Amino acid sequence: AQRVTQPEKLLSVFKGAPVELKCNYSYSGSPELFWYVQYSRQRLQLLLRHISRESIKGFTADLNKGETSFHLKKPFAQEEDSAMYYCALSGAGSYQLTFGKGTKLSVIP
Amino acid sequence: DAMVIQNPRYQVTQFGKPVTLSCSQTLNHNVMYWYQQKSSQAPKLLFHYYDKDFNNEADTPDNFQSRRPNTSFCFLDIRSPGLGDAAMYLCATSRPSGETPYEQYFGPGTRLTVT
Repeated sequence: AQRVTQPEKLLSVFKGAPVELKCNYSYSGSPELFWYVQYSRQRLQLLLRHISRESIKGFTADLNKGETSFHLKKPFAQEEDSAMYYCALSGAGSYQLTFGKGTKLSVIP
Repeated sequence: DAMVIQNPRYQVTQFGKPVTLSCSQTLNHNVMYWYQQKSSQAPKLLFHYYDKDFNNEADTPDNFQSRRPNTSFCFLDIRSPGLGDAAMYLCATSRPSGETPYEQYFGPGTRLTVT
């Protein structure tokens, strides 16, 4: 069975401080990992996917298969980063997602 | 703008009274999903349609049904809502023929209250 764990329900950081949102997964094959974000009063939307290896809004995430992790990082937090962040996993070639419970990021001015 | 639309945004129903939630999309995506999300929990997939093919998750209660009359519309029917069915219901779409891995596009959700 596939599982996604986000250990922190809430993470508060000061503006300009580094951010790391943790995500660990359990999957027997080659997973595809995503981060989805939900800003206040907006719909859930894709932030980034591991296969793209891109930086979106200053966020990056590296898939570490040895540690089965896909942590989301940003060197300098901004107030507009405050949102709910969900890590999600899909099996290779699958179009179904398994979500973590989410971490609420609060950036303190 | 192409998008996923859910109606209504808020729905109140009585215990045991059937209720239908609606989702429509202008993205022309093959796959439509229904998720249930309770407070402080992960969105949980209930079922999805790949074109006309219905795929039910093993642990989705029989109380939940779905219909997809055409590409654009998908409905979630709750035959006899219980208090435990109060949740946010999210509709999403994806286009598996596109770039992998497949991004899902979400609607704003319908918050269901059961009284």
